[in-house]
Amino acid sequence: GAVVSQHPSRVICKSGTSVKIECRSLDFQATTMFWYRQFPKKSLMLMATSNEGSKATYEQGVEKDKFLINHASLTLSTLTVTSAHPEDSSFYICSARDRWEDSNEKLFFGSGTQLSVL
Amino acid sequence: GESVGLHLPTLSVQEGDNSIINCAYSNSASDYFIWYKQESGKGPQFIIDIRSNMDKRQGQRVTVLLNKTVKHLSLQIAATQPGDSAVYFCAESSGYSTLTFGKGTMLLVSP
Repeated sequence: GAVVSQHPSRVICKSGTSVKIECRSLDFQATTMFWYRQFPKKSLMLMATSNEGSKATYEQGVEKDKFLINHASLTLSTLTVTSAHPEDSSFYICSARDRWEDSNEKLFFGSGTQLSVL
Repeated sequence: GESVGLHLPTLSVQEGDNSIINCAYSNSASDYFIWYKQESGKGPQFIIDIRSNMDKRQGQRVTVLLNKTVKHLSLQIAATQPGDSAVYFCAESSGYSTLTFGKGTMLLVSP
């Protein structure tokens, strides 16, 4: 089956530093990837839709300058948390849609990244 | 906006029992529904899906039931095993819209 690799799985950083999270589709091409945030014992909240070759679409309330998204190739999207603060600590999850699919039927999730900001 | 919700935050069952996890949705335009399993520290794992033109779909040990009249979705797990312990999310979408996730139900299976 299709695999989405997310790296790193866990990162601890100091307040004020930036952290980059990678999301790769390993055996398929993805023109669209999604970034979610999840707090403990809570559901997944969509942060933004990452579009290959164009700007990401952010959900209401998500700071685009805080959460920089780059989708430079058909197999890689990155989320950079800039000037991280303790309140940015969370579990971040990406998903990727097969480029030949328009629906959510072929949506594959990464394993998530636990970000802890000290 | 409209969202998907769940009735039970935690469900505890004995190994071998059948489990039923429920989900209520409010968007009458939703036409595609998915159940995901999420283990601690991992991403969601697809379990089973159903389109709105169906009311039942079966997989291996799992069945999804859709009642569009009352906007209700359920996941039935037969012969629940300790490995089934996880948080289960329903998700819905309408057309090509992005997925909206429900609040999740934690399933605890005791040996």
